[in-house]
Amino acid sequence: EVVLTQSPATLSLSPGERATLSCRASQSVGSYLAWYQQKAGQAPRLLIYDASNRATGISARFSGSGSGTDFTLIISSLEPEDFAVYYCQQRSNWPLTFGGGTKVEIK
Amino acid sequence: EVQLVESGGGLVQPGGSLRLSCAASGFTFSTYGMSWVRQAPGKGLEWVSVISGGSGNTNHANSVKGRFIISRDNSKNTLYLQMNSLRAEDTAIYYCAKGVSYSDWHFDYWGRGTLVTVSS
Repeated sequence: EVVLTQSPATLSLSPGERATLSCRASQSVGSYLAWYQQKAGQAPRLLIYDASNRATGISARFSGSGSGTDFTLIISSLEPEDFAVYYCQQRSNWPLTFGGGTKVEIK
Repeated sequence: EVQLVESGGGLVQPGGSLRLSCAASGFTFSTYGMSWVRQAPGKGLEWVSVISGGSGNTNHANSVKGRFIISRDNSKNTLYLQMNSLRAEDTAIYYCAKGVSYSDWHFDYWGRGTLVTVSS
């Protein structure tokens, strides 16, 4: 099973700041990695798929990069609505797995 | 507009069964892979089961293999999850999710979820 480790667990930032989230895989997943945003009481929302492709309707302030085992999600300038929990997910190997999440909170 | 609406959740005793449904609209249901993903209270996301578009090939997480069955009725645009031999650790919100494509297991639309509580 591919284990996805997200860091940091919590990121405390102010609106307007840049957020850098990391997802590390226990083995190579190629480019088959996605990022989701989840707000309290809501379903997850796809932000990035296949490492760097923005999903439909997603703001350009969200960008994804990486391949193999190391991936990064960058939020270039935090808006108030960006404070949420972010998950990565791989589709390279069965079983599909999610990371444990990074909470981006207001400092 | 893509919509996914889950139903069928509720309180069930350990060892019991439940069938979840997910009514889909706004896209050509038969051509997309679909999945169930769950989230225990206060925890992260856990993939449960997938079914591909067309032929309907399936795959299940080890934690539910042999107990849960995913299926789809393309004539009704509906996804199902038959859950048997339920355990306390199956307690979670169950989300229905649409694959990005036929068998692309990233998920671009999600339902609001249905809560399953397994308790005596």
